Amino acid sequence: EPEVTQTPSHQVTQMGQEVILRCVPISNHLYFYWYRQILGQKVEFLVSFYNNEISEKSEIFDDQFSVERPDGSNFTLKIRSTKLEDSAMYFCASRGEQGFSYEQYFGPGTRLTVT
Amino acid sequence: AQRVTQPEKLLSVFKGAPVELKCNYSYSGSPELFWYVQYSRQRLQLLLRHISRESIKGFTADLNKGETSFHLKKPFAQEEDSAMYYCALSGRSDKLIFGTGTRLQVFP
Repeated sequence: EPEVTQTPSHQVTQMGQEVILRCVPISNHLYFYWYRQILGQKVEFLVSFYNNEISEKSEIFDDQFSVERPDGSNFTLKIRSTKLEDSAMYFCASRGEQGFSYEQYFGPGTRLTVT
Repeated sequence: AQRVTQPEKLLSVFKGAPVELKCNYSYSGSPELFWYVQYSRQRLQLLLRHISRESIKGFTADLNKGETSFHLKKPFAQEEDSAMYYCALSGRSDKLIFGTGTRLQVFP
């Protein structure tokens, strides 16, 4: 069964550094998402992406964040200058069908630790 | 404001006991409601969604618009049901809004 993959599984970085989190969505999916979960808190929506454009972004997704689909398979989340409060689990998700009732398939997550 | 509330952080039951994980939502409109499950060391995966009215692994959930609830139920819990359960909604957009999750522990 196809799965969403994410790399790396764990990233440690220093405050102020740039990080790129990578995701490979399921191959025929068209809708892509990033969510994050700070330890002990709820999973929060960051951004959705369709047709090479951001569809929606949350208040969290400020100018320090960007997303890109550089080729036909990868979907990346870049944080330009990391802060301590960016430490969290970051989940990528993808969806194939139109209609909001359809399942979003999640990747295993990347744990980002900012020191 | 769009919000999902799961009042219990932890629910502990013995094998064979009934289980009800509570979920209440706040949304002005007709949302889509979902239950996602995360087993130990595994990814989030969809358990069920209200629109399909199905039973998965013995779990059911009924959308009660009057009480704005979408509680997850199972008549007889199994040890393999132990996991983190998240209630989520989507509304006018397809972003998922999650609750804080309930950890279900099923003891033998």
